[in-house]
Amino acid sequence: DTAVSQTPKYLVTQMGNDKSIKCEQNLGHDTMYWYKQDSKKFLKIMFSYNNKELIINETVPNRFSPKSPDKAHLNLHINSLELGDSAVYFCASSQEWGAYNEQFFGPGTRLTVL
Amino acid sequence: DQQVKQNSPSLSVQEGRISILNCDYTNSMFDYFLWYKKYPAEGPTFLISISSIKDKNEDGRFTVFLNKSAKHLSLHIVPSQPGDSAVYFCAAQGTYKYIFGTGTRLKVLA
Repeated sequence: DTAVSQTPKYLVTQMGNDKSIKCEQNLGHDTMYWYKQDSKKFLKIMFSYNNKELIINETVPNRFSPKSPDKAHLNLHINSLELGDSAVYFCASSQEWGAYNEQFFGPGTRLTVL
Repeated sequence: DQQVKQNSPSLSVQEGRISILNCDYTNSMFDYFLWYKKYPAEGPTFLISISSIKDKNEDGRFTVFLNKSAKHLSLHIVPSQPGDSAVYFCAAQGTYKYIFGTGTRLKVLA
């Protein structure tokens, strides 16, 4: 029974397209995150939502728009895809923001932009 | 501006010996530190954590040490096992900040 799931696992698309990655957690957590792991393997936070409200928005192009329909879901929509968007994107969740607790990660979505 | 650094990109250790992974941070506002382990094609999984009010936390074969004055933490794995071979990330948490280190690939040789 997967705690944090992401779909799709692989995504190959052309430059200029718009794509979405979905994330769902069944842990009952309040906080969800999106991370990008680039070719240098750096894991950088992009967004964080707490109870459907945006609380972290790092310096990310506004082509990236997170959407949280409810606290169990945090989807990532990317417009006008560029070559530099190729990376592995991880979704994560934690019990509550501000408390000291670990994050639970999804398996990642490998995005390749051609 | 990498606020959390792991200066050793890789480390090889013989099975049964101690593995020591290091992590340095620059921001004194971080007050909680975590270690995650990552296998290929999987997301990171939590391993162990430490609050800034402590200098040591132990969980089985894993011990994390924190030296606040040096802004340095380390993860000790004793004894190391082949299944420990993975990439290890340290992470630092502060108010509205959650920063991961650059990762260290540990290989435990049988």
